[in-house]
Amino acid sequence: ETGVTQTPRHLVMGMTNKKSLKCEQHLGHNAMYWYKQSAKKPLELMFVYNFKEQTENNSVPSRFSPECPNSSHLFLHLHTLQPEDSALYLCASSLGPQGELFFGEGSRLTVL
Amino acid sequence: GEDVEQSLFLSVREGDSSVINCTYTDSSSTYLYWYKQEPGAGLQLLTYIFSNMDMKQDQRLTVLLNKKDKHLSLRIADTQTGDSAIYFCAESIGINTGTASKLTFGTGTRLQVTL
Repeated sequence: ETGVTQTPRHLVMGMTNKKSLKCEQHLGHNAMYWYKQSAKKPLELMFVYNFKEQTENNSVPSRFSPECPNSSHLFLHLHTLQPEDSALYLCASSLGPQGELFFGEGSRLTVL
Repeated sequence: GEDVEQSLFLSVREGDSSVINCTYTDSSSTYLYWYKQEPGAGLQLLTYIFSNMDMKQDQRLTVLLNKKDKHLSLRIADTQTGDSAIYFCAESIGINTGTASKLTFGTGTRLQVTL
């Protein structure tokens, strides 16, 4: 059983829908991350939170909106997405910003 | 800028050795990593090497680093079907074990192990 849990595992949405991805870590970590994994592309870091504060936003379009209410939970709110946003979205956590990354199993998003 | 490159696919027979290669561009990299992603799962750290080392061995895994050529390789001895996965190379310019937000990943190499 992974210490980082992501839901839903699969999501299909239309371009006008609003949905959210959820990530929860049970490892006592305080840094959390969203990554985007597309086929044949390097893993892309999207957002970094450390102690609930956003420390990085790698030029991610505003149609992706992260939320970190506490050190154990991380959300990615999605609205008016494009088909090219279809990808596997991976959440990760670490003990600190310099710690080893622990990944969840990902949420496979398809935008129609 | 930072760039990490890997070939996309490798096929080996069970019992043979696998060698997965990676090249990177940032000469200031301090740590280099290998992650494994099994089907339907997230990435799992396999091993890492500090940039002042040439080699690191951990059971069936051997990591070789040629800092002059900016080349990293992962050798898996006696490859098993359970080794079938995507292997990601990553570099970090962090000063300790690597600031996670400074990791640059490659595209991943899909390893297929055949009987």
